[in-house]
This record gives sequence, structure tokens and C-alpha cells, in this order.
Amino acid sequence: EAGVTQFPSHSVIEKGQTVTLRCDPISGHDNLYWYRRVMGKEIKFLLHFVKESKQDESGMPNNRFLAERTGGTYSTLKVQPAELEDSGVYFCASSQGRTLAATDTQYFGPGTRLTVL
Amino acid sequence: LAKTTQPISMDSYEGQEVNITCSHNNIATNDYITWYQQFPSQGPRFIIQGYKTKVTNEVASLFIPADRKSSTLSLPRVSLSDTAVYYCLVGDTNTGFQKLVFGTGTRLLVSP
Repeated sequence: EAGVTQFPSHSVIEKGQTVTLRCDPISGHDNLYWYRRVMGKEIKFLLHFVKESKQDESGMPNNRFLAERTGGTYSTLKVQPAELEDSGVYFCASSQGRTLAATDTQYFGPGTRLTVL
Repeated sequence: LAKTTQPISMDSYEGQEVNITCSHNNIATNDYITWYQQFPSQGPRFIIQGYKTKVTNEVASLFIPADRKSSTLSLPRVSLSDTAVYYCLVGDTNTGFQKLVFGTGTRLLVSP
């Protein structure tokens, strides 16, 4: 079974440019999450999709970040315009979506390293 | 969401048993305890999860005392490939748990 995949693995852009990160969850997983680690700090939650709907986007830092999950399959996270402080590793995770949330294990992708110069 | 406290780092030798303890004094009734492992350049990987007493799977054991204010991840006979960062997470079953809250984790270094 294929795991969570993310593209690209590394992106280097200049301040003010736009970057779009993609996440393909495990097939059949309704839940999709985005997290990021900035500047070697803790991994922090960004948002949570249930199928194509945003369930919780409380962790999105500002309106320069836009996440979509059209059709409830893959998701994209766009940063426009990118700022220096956006540099970090962006992780995507997916889970099946069971009734008991505690046992709904999240499976993480390898992450996308974003460097904004 | 309950705050967790873990050692910053630990060193071990191959073949030893490693125990990493996590403190979560304000754990709530609905909270579960989950441990993740992360290798460099990879995303976190689920290891084990529990609510109380002891849970064991093919890679680790999780010990949770009766008051649930702490938990211990036990890795039997570690190998070099167990060198990684280990995260303890505590979350509510109904709401906040799906929004995993990572602390700084414990960096485990296994030497020959």
C-alpha cells in the first residue's frame, strides 16, 4: 500500500514568489492534515480536511496560505506571496476517519522543505 | 490539550533497553497517549498508543500508571536504526486529538 506522498521534496523560491505544495494521502483516507516545522522549532498543526471540507484551519498563520482539497483526494497548500519566515518543512498526514478519533492513526508524508530566499 | 514534558536527549548502546518517560500532569479523562518516531528528513511515524496500564506491540511497550500523569515508552534491545526523535502526544478523543500537538521530543542516539 502506498503511503502519503508529497511533492516537491524541496523547493527554493525568492521572497514574494508563489509556491504550491501537493499532498497525496493514502487512498481511502477521508482525513487530511497539514503541519509545518519552522526554523527547527516544534511541528505545528495548520489545518484539517474531512474529505473536501475544512474541518479546522485554526493553525493557518495568515491569509497568504490557502489550502484546497478539491474532490476530497489530493490537497494543495499555496503560499502567496512567500515570506522569509515561511521557510521550513511542511508535512502532510492522512487518516481513515473512524468514529473514535483517538484510534484514528495519522500517517505522515516525508515532508516538503521550503526555503524562501 | 495537555502539555507534555520529555527529556531533551538520551544516549544508549546497541542491545540495551531504552525507556523514555513523558510527564503530562494535566491529562484529562478523555485523553489518549500516543508516541511517534521521526527520522531525519522523514515525517513522524506512529509507534504506539494507550489509555491506561500497559500496551505492547511488535516494536515497543507503553506503560501508563494508574494516575496517568506520566507514561513510559520502552524500546527493547535498541539498534542503531532506532536513532531518532521520539514524541509523546496527549490528546482528547473527541476534539483536539486530531490536531496533534508536538513538543520538542526526545532525541535518542544509539551507539555501537
